[in-house]
Amino acid sequence: EAGVTQSPTHLIKPRGQQATLRCSPISGHTSVYWYQQALGLGLQFLLWYDEGEERNRGNFPPRFSGRQFPNYSSELNVNALELEDSALYLCASSWRVGTIGEQYFGPGTRLTVT
Amino acid sequence: KNEVEQSPQNLTAQEGEFITINCSYSVGISALHWLQQHPGGGIVSLFMLSSGKKKHGRLIATINIQEKHSSLHITASHPRDSAVYICAPTQGGSEKLVFGKGTKLTVNP
Repeated sequence: EAGVTQSPTHLIKPRGQQATLRCSPISGHTSVYWYQQALGLGLQFLLWYDEGEERNRGNFPPRFSGRQFPNYSSELNVNALELEDSALYLCASSWRVGTIGEQYFGPGTRLTVT
Repeated sequence: KNEVEQSPQNLTAQEGEFITINCSYSVGISALHWLQQHPGGGIVSLFMLSSGKKKHGRLIATINIQEKHSSLHITASHPRDSAVYICAPTQGGSEKLVFGKGTKLTVNP
């Protein structure tokens, strides 16, 4: 069974531009989560999508947005890139049983803002 | 005070030693993940547990919901266990993971 996939692996963008990161969940998983791991900082929760809707959002500015498609894949968009947006962005997916779902992580996209 | 505290922050062991990593949290949770992150960034979910104990191979995770404490044990440690281990409780009702800062484990041959 294929795991969570993310693309691209690496992304280099100039400050002020937009970055788009993509995530495909494990087949059958309906929830997708996005996390940021900036250099020297721990993992931080960004966004949670389930069944096509945004369910929860971390403490990030509106420049960070995303969506979930009917096939449950997801896109994270970061607008007006700032240098401090340089980080590893991780996607995870889960199949929720009741309210709890074990999250499986993708390999990440390393975003560098120049 | 951080919502999730892990100890120790760094741990060096000799191959074969028994390892324990501790996690204390202050948030109300519905479950707790233990994650493993290797150099390069990839994260693997080792366990998700909401009560009691789980075992997978040489790894054992326990949780005490009343005491808000979880432990990860590695028996017969091996150099390939060298990684950062992260405790991540799920905030009750939100499915939002709150992360500890991680424990960097180095196992020497």
